[in-house]
Amino acid sequence: AQSVTQLGSHVSVSEGALVLLRCNYSSSVPPYLFWYVQYPNQGLQLLLKYTSAATLVKGINGFEAEFKKSETSFHLTKPSAHMSDAAEYFCAVSEPQAAGNKLTFGGGTRVLVKP
Amino acid sequence: ETGVTQTPRHLVMGMTNKKSLKCEQHLGHNAMYWYKQSAKKPLELMFVYSLEERVENNSVPSRFSPECPNSSHLFLHLHTLQPEDSALYLCASSQGTPAYGYTFGSGTRLTVV
Repeated sequence: AQSVTQLGSHVSVSEGALVLLRCNYSSSVPPYLFWYVQYPNQGLQLLLKYTSAATLVKGINGFEAEFKKSETSFHLTKPSAHMSDAAEYFCAVSEPQAAGNKLTFGGGTRVLVKP
Repeated sequence: ETGVTQTPRHLVMGMTNKKSLKCEQHLGHNAMYWYKQSAKKPLELMFVYSLEERVENNSVPSRFSPECPNSSHLFLHLHTLQPEDSALYLCASSQGTPAYGYTFGSGTRLTVV
């Protein structure tokens, strides 16, 4: 079974500083990888996804992520944090062989943005 | 609007009540999912429906009963719940292909008293 590990359940950044959220996965086949964001009392919203095209993926709200096969990583970054980036972020990996397109999620990283 | 609608948004129920959560999508997706999100716990996949057939049940207690009458609707019937079942219940849908990802609803915040 595939798994996803997000390092750090909480991250605190200053407004304007770099946001870096770490995600490592395990997979025996080429994976598809996703980052989702969840604002309080809402569902998850897709930020970006890697589907075996370019290894550097750009998403919404200025976020991007880089797929590194050798490191089995898919870290999420944003050059300059904004107050509106305060939310919880989830990394996920797909299991192509599983019926119903099953996604496996990491434990989430909650981002706090300090003024 | 995310395209996946969940009702109700909030629900308070007693342990002896019976209630149902509803999820509706008009995105043309053919797979639907129920997740449970509890405080300080990872997202827990409960059920997966593909083409209206249940393809996964992750050892969910029988007090949770899913129903998928068609590709656009998914229900979660609840009965005799416990306080530890209080959580945010999220519905999602997808096209059923690995590269697509999920579209989530806003969730139902369930409180069992």
